[in-house]
Amino acid sequence: GESVGLHLPTLSVQEGDNSIINCAYSNSASDYFIWYKQESGKGPQFIIDIRSNMDKRQGQRVTVLLNKTVKHLSLQIAATQPGDSAVYFCAETQNTGNQFYFGTGTSLTVIP
Amino acid sequence: GAVVSQHPSRVICKSGTSVKIECRSLDFQATTMFWYRQFPKQSLMLMATSNEGSKATYEQGVEKDKFLINHASLTLSTLTVTSAHPEDSSFYICSARIDASSGNTIYFGEGSWLTVV
Repeated sequence: GESVGLHLPTLSVQEGDNSIINCAYSNSASDYFIWYKQESGKGPQFIIDIRSNMDKRQGQRVTVLLNKTVKHLSLQIAATQPGDSAVYFCAETQNTGNQFYFGTGTSLTVIP
Repeated sequence: GAVVSQHPSRVICKSGTSVKIECRSLDFQATTMFWYRQFPKQSLMLMATSNEGSKATYEQGVEKDKFLINHASLTLSTLTVTSAHPEDSSFYICSARIDASSGNTIYFGEGSWLTVV
């Protein structure tokens, strides 16, 4: 695999604050990226995606930013809620829709 | 939305036995499915790409004789962990890709917890 699993970094935020989760991807040829949310004991859920020809994409309460120069992705969550507490992974792929390689992940805890 | 179902969600098996995990795409056809493994508090690690009607493609370091993958139909891929050992205990997750003509979204199953005792 192109990304190696490590112990998860953590992020704690107050309810209502904005959250920013960062991800450094490894393959400069990757052209499609997805952010996933994983709750304890469950499979990943799609949050938002972005293609390499874009540098920003917005969804409902979430924004993904892509900086190809430094191979960096970020996920911004506005007005973070307790239900947003989960582990967030970025995933990268070449040739859209083929094998996805996951980043380390970040554990987000929202404090009520 | 598209649904990917895994079965069983939890399984306990004795060391030395084999266990099969099924991954089904419930409302779409998937010529390609992917199998991942996840240890606690770690990321998902891609194990192999399962292609309908042909042999799976394994990632480097994954033993193909240990983790047998069969993708016999457009809606079903199976992962068989052969001669399981306690170190095979993990969370196994499959994902399925909607055929390219319909879009390139990947959907994940809910995962299967394997405990080898």
